[in-house]
Amino acid sequence: QQPVQSPQAVILREGEDAVINCSSSKALYSVHWYRQKHGEAPVFLMILLKGGEQKGHEKISASFNEKKQQSSLYLTASQLSYSGTYFCGTAPKAWAGNKLTFGGGTRVLVKP
Amino acid sequence: EAGVTQSPTHLIKTRGQQATLRCSPISGHTSVYWYQQALGLGLQFLLWYDEGEERNRGNFPPRFSGRQFPNYSSELNVNALELEDSALYLCASSLPWPSNTGELFFGEGSRLTVL
Repeated sequence: QQPVQSPQAVILREGEDAVINCSSSKALYSVHWYRQKHGEAPVFLMILLKGGEQKGHEKISASFNEKKQQSSLYLTASQLSYSGTYFCGTAPKAWAGNKLTFGGGTRVLVKP
Repeated sequence: EAGVTQSPTHLIKTRGQQATLRCSPISGHTSVYWYQQALGLGLQFLLWYDEGEERNRGNFPPRFSGRQFPNYSSELNVNALELEDSALYLCASSLPWPSNTGELFFGEGSRLTVL
């Protein structure tokens, strides 16, 4: 079952913060975050494994609450380059090439 | 280092025809994944190939099929095309297990339009 992302879209001014949530109705082993800019391939941002760890990529960080089966992606002091569609992908068991189930995406637009 | 390459970039077909899309993974990657991205929607998992074998498939009808060649490149075939098959088809590759860290490397996709 597809994870649910919220919000569906967000508009930010450069320097502002935003949070994107990804919720699943199933128990998760890992959550994977990707960003896709318009007309380009999705690019891997980070993977979070169960255990509640938090990771960062530049000023983009994420957390994973396995009890709530939820992950949040934090865009801090957003830059124009952060614009794009963010997808979370979830896996119910240890990564071994098992299919990722992606959410519907969150479109982020950062304005000057 | 070359990334994942897909061809053709664009393909226009009519209903009932067949489409063939191709993907070359990054050198050293043995797993290839196919995803469908319909306009405005997320990525829907289609197929996973590893070492020439189909390892998993998503909830798509049998007219979506593919194969992986000895050089790890892959082909996606869609038979009896329907209008709703119009989408961007993304191919991704990854390192073989257990070197695989979970990161997928995507190509820029093949846009299929069915008229």
